[in-house]
Amino acid sequence: EVQLVESGGGLVQPGGSLRLSCAASGFTFSDHYMDWVRQAPGKGLEWVGRSRNKANSYTTEYAASVKGRFTISRDDSKNSLYLQLNSLKTEDTAVYYCARDHANWGQGTLVTVSS
Amino acid sequence: DIQMTQSPSSLSASVGDRVTITCQASQDISNYANWYQQKPGKAPKLLIYDASNLETGVPSRFSGSGSGTDFTFTISSLQPEDIAAYYCQQYDNLPYTFGQGTKLEIK
Repeated sequence: EVQLVESGGGLVQPGGSLRLSCAASGFTFSDHYMDWVRQAPGKGLEWVGRSRNKANSYTTEYAASVKGRFTISRDDSKNSLYLQLNSLKTEDTAVYYCARDHANWGQGTLVTVSS
Repeated sequence: DIQMTQSPSSLSASVGDRVTITCQASQDISNYANWYQQKPGKAPKLLIYDASNLETGVPSRFSGSGSGTDFTFTISSLQPEDIAAYYCQQYDNLPYTFGQGTKLEIK
């Protein structure tokens, strides 16, 4: 069974940083592209970025709203995906989900950016 | 970026009703459209992929159709457990984009 478990969310001040993790199990993590998607409170879904697999050189893509501030990385030896959030803004407040192939999502982790 | 215009934004229907939600893409996305259901406090759940394919385990009262720029999601007979928000998504081009969502309520 595919399982994705996010962690690392919390309260951070504007301008601060946070690192989110997504622990994967139940599939060969290294074979798959992985995405981060976020949802601000009471709002819709926003794709944040993607990590391609080893066969595609682990290249990454980002939404314009986070490019230059967020960095996606992965450690295939730990079956883990990461999202480094820097220079956080209040509008980055959201539940952050990791997802595989559109069909498998974690439960999400809440990031709150507030002074 | 490809815009997905979803309507209506909210919908009230009775149990047993046929419910339809539409999504229009700002450019041709072939059949690269998904439909998701999201219940409060939960992650989105994929219902339909490739515009018209039912995800494994999803009840057959859910269906999708369309290609190019116009897509339709239908619940043939609304059940109480279908109360949720529904989102379309295009995955033809990055950045993948979602419709604004439809909040479905029981009348």
